[in-house]
Formats: sequence, structure tokens, C-alpha cells
Amino acid sequence: AQRVTQPEKLLSVFKGAPVELKCNYSYSGSPELFWYVQYSRQRLQLLLRHISRESIKGFTADLNKGETSFHLKKPFAQEEDSAMYYCALSESFNKFYFGSGTKLNVKP
Amino acid sequence: NAGVTQTPKFQVLKTGQSMTLQCAQDMNHNSMYWYRQDPGMGLRLIYYSASEGTTDKGEVPNGYNVSRLNKREFSLRLESAAPSQTSVYFCASTGTSYEQYFGPGTRLTVT
Repeated sequence: AQRVTQPEKLLSVFKGAPVELKCNYSYSGSPELFWYVQYSRQRLQLLLRHISRESIKGFTADLNKGETSFHLKKPFAQEEDSAMYYCALSESFNKFYFGSGTKLNVKP
Repeated sequence: NAGVTQTPKFQVLKTGQSMTLQCAQDMNHNSMYWYRQDPGMGLRLIYYSASEGTTDKGEVPNGYNVSRLNKREFSLRLESAAPSQTSVYFCASTGTSYEQYFGPGTRLTVT
């Protein structure tokens, strides 16, 4: 069963525009949710996790249990934000389920 | 501190051949994972090991075997490669923070 859904394969925005990358999940317990990012020619790396409630590189994500969503937002996109973004859900911190990814393209 | 390393970086196999992908981490992490990444599918968990001496199946374990050789090393074996196993394979490890650290990936083509 698909546990993490990222409906957009590609999102193109202009520099300075707001960005929202969508993530919906299905999980019966209390989910641990993450956003990972893969910049060109770099390894996949953690961007943020919901339990930390932090903002990294201007990105934030709020867990909405009612809508089962964990959308990633940034008010003003920068060209260096262009990358592949993956939403992930952890089941008891042993199994991790990743979405299919959204490619963010920030145009100058 | 190399983090997570994987060998080889690239491999081409013929259908039916076998091979082992190697993964090692130097962060003293307990948990290690193998994923495959296919276009439009994201990363799918093949096998994981929560601690030395234990392994468990993930979402797509068929056609693969794993060995947690020691705390540092976690290998993935394809006994009889099939074209459907053409993919990019990533190894990852997590410590007490549950942040996953990924290796650089192995690009495998099965013809």
C-alpha cells in the first residue's frame, strides 16, 4: 500500500516566488515524517523532520494529521533550491517509506 | 570520516549472473538499509538491518539476499540478475537521531 504520495513530479517556479511541495501519507499510528533532498551530483540528505519543528534553509513543513499531509513550504524560492525532494515516513524508526519525489526547478 | 561508502559505483550484468553490492559505514550506526531507486517510483526499501546479526525484509525483497557481516558492513546479493533489477541502489545507515545517511549509489544495468 502506498504510504507516501507526492502528486507532483515536477514543480517549476520563478526565483522569489513561494514554493509548496505536497506530501500526503497514509498511516494508522503516529507518523514520523521527514523531507530529504538530493541536489545535483550530491547524496540524498535530510532536509528536515517534523519532530524537530525547525526551519532549514528557509523551508518549513507542518504535519496536518486531519488532512494527513506534510507539505514543504518556502516563502521565497532561490535558484540553489533546485533539486529533487522526497517526503518520507518512518514506521517505528526501522522501516522508512519514501514518496516518488518532486523535482523542483527554480528559474532565474 | 567517510560516512557511508558503496562499491562498485557502476556495474553491468547479463541476465542470470550474480553479484554482491558492498556497503560500509564508519559512524557506529546500528541500523543499515538497502534501497532501490527507479524513475517515478522513488526509493523502495529492499532489506534493512536494525542491528548486527538481524535482517528484515522491506517492500521489495524478492530476488535479493543480504548479509550484515558486522556492525560496519551490510551487503546486498543478487543471485540471478534479471532486467527488472536494473536500478540505482542506495545503502543508508541511521544512528540514534534516526537521520538516514546515504551512500553515493550503485548504478546497475542488467542486460
